[in-house]
Amino acid sequence: GAGVSQSPSNKVTEKGKDVELRCDPISGHTALYWYRQSLGQGLEFLIYFQGNSAPDKSGLPSDRFSAERTGGSVSTLTIQRTQQEDSAVYLCASSLVGAALHFGNGTRLTVT
Amino acid sequence: GEDVEQSLFLSVREGDSSVINCTYTDSSSTYLYWYKQEPGAGLQLLTYIFSNMDMKQDQRLTVLLNKKDKHLSLRIADTQTGDSAIYFCAESETGRRALTFGSGTRLQVQP
Repeated sequence: GAGVSQSPSNKVTEKGKDVELRCDPISGHTALYWYRQSLGQGLEFLIYFQGNSAPDKSGLPSDRFSAERTGGSVSTLTIQRTQQEDSAVYLCASSLVGAALHFGNGTRLTVT
Repeated sequence: GEDVEQSLFLSVREGDSSVINCTYTDSSSTYLYWYKQEPGAGLQLLTYIFSNMDMKQDQRLTVLLNKKDKHLSLRIADTQTGDSAIYFCAESETGRRALTFGSGTRLQVQP
């Protein structure tokens, strides 16, 4: 497709389970970002990938959060041992270097 | 650290102009952006301005930047009900890889 694609669009999980969120960036975009949007809050930066460089993980809130980007394209954000405070919309964005970010529609995660 | 602040809510009548304000603290900001988020959707880039500009106009949208006061505004002329959404201000700095976003302003357009 032409835009950033995220799956699933909604995910409900039980506290303590692991979840994986997927992002397909726009073809040719070398930069990929994950942000988290909690209810009524702005966007919280989580992690950034650029080409083959080491990712900027400075926004990950705990060691339960990790992300990888395989082959410079698809990215997976993994949350282990989910907690209720992890409930949020997880947004992925991609861009060309130095250009504006293009966002996907997000994955709404609910931890019960 | 960097901080971007916005008022939380704005209500206008259809046909009026809307002005959404944003303040930021990082004097090294290179680009400043306005994004729009409709319910259940991701963020859509509306417009952006380079920090050496003070105004940019794009159809119904006018961005004003006061770099001295670190104040950014988005004016929407002839506001329509379809403009109802959350508007996010964001800033970036050369060498810093992630955008810093404000908490968003919810615009409600009343018919």
